Amino acid sequence: QSVLTQPPSASGTPGQRVTISCSGSSSNIGGNTVNWYQKLAGTAPKLLIDSHNQRPSGVPDRISGSKSGTSASLVISGLQSEDEADYYCASWDASLNAVVFGGGTKLTVL
Amino acid sequence: EVLLLESGGGLVQPGGSLRLSCAASGFSFSSYAMIWVRQAPGKGLEWVSSISGSAEITYYADSLQGRFSISRDNSKNTLYLQMSRLRAEDTAIYYCAKSPSRTESKPHFWGQGTLVTVSS
Repeated sequence: QSVLTQPPSASGTPGQRVTISCSGSSSNIGGNTVNWYQKLAGTAPKLLIDSHNQRPSGVPDRISGSKSGTSASLVISGLQSEDEADYYCASWDASLNAVVFGGGTKLTVL
Repeated sequence: EVLLLESGGGLVQPGGSLRLSCAASGFSFSSYAMIWVRQAPGKGLEWVSSISGSAEITYYADSLQGRFSISRDNSKNTLYLQMSRLRAEDTAIYYCAKSPSRTESKPHFWGQGTLVTVSS
């Protein structure tokens, strides 16, 4: 059971907009920043959205992140087949004194 | 170019020990916190530990129950993870990652990982 809650799966057709949620509490998302990562099978995770809600160089602007209260969201617009991957949120948890990850969301492009 | 190269993974028996290394290049190593994250087969990402740039601050996941120790040698640009009393559930790919600052514990840039298998 992960401290941050993500839906296990999401899907969309090419060109669609998909939102992946990440729910936490006041000790993590509510009081700290959130990062989002993409994990393709057999490769290292890749940072998509950083603590300042910015995209690292090379991440397309059709990918964005937001936070409200104790929840965060990752939005992928103009869905492409290459977006098919696992997505993870992460935040610092002040009660645990540790970084906590969401359980991951498997995105399928239909 | 930032490069992180993990080594030291392999097959170890339950109860055994292993030390992972991560050789870093392409950035000022001592200026950044470093992190270990693992992924067990078929499971999600799990944060393991982090260490600040000067090694004065370390954090660990509670699930490790004091069995792992993170350290760094800034003169060798190398990060370590000493793992002891290993259990089957420690079987995972272990990723070394670079922080965006001296103290931030969330990873930015990741290495390719090294596989640790705990089995008799």
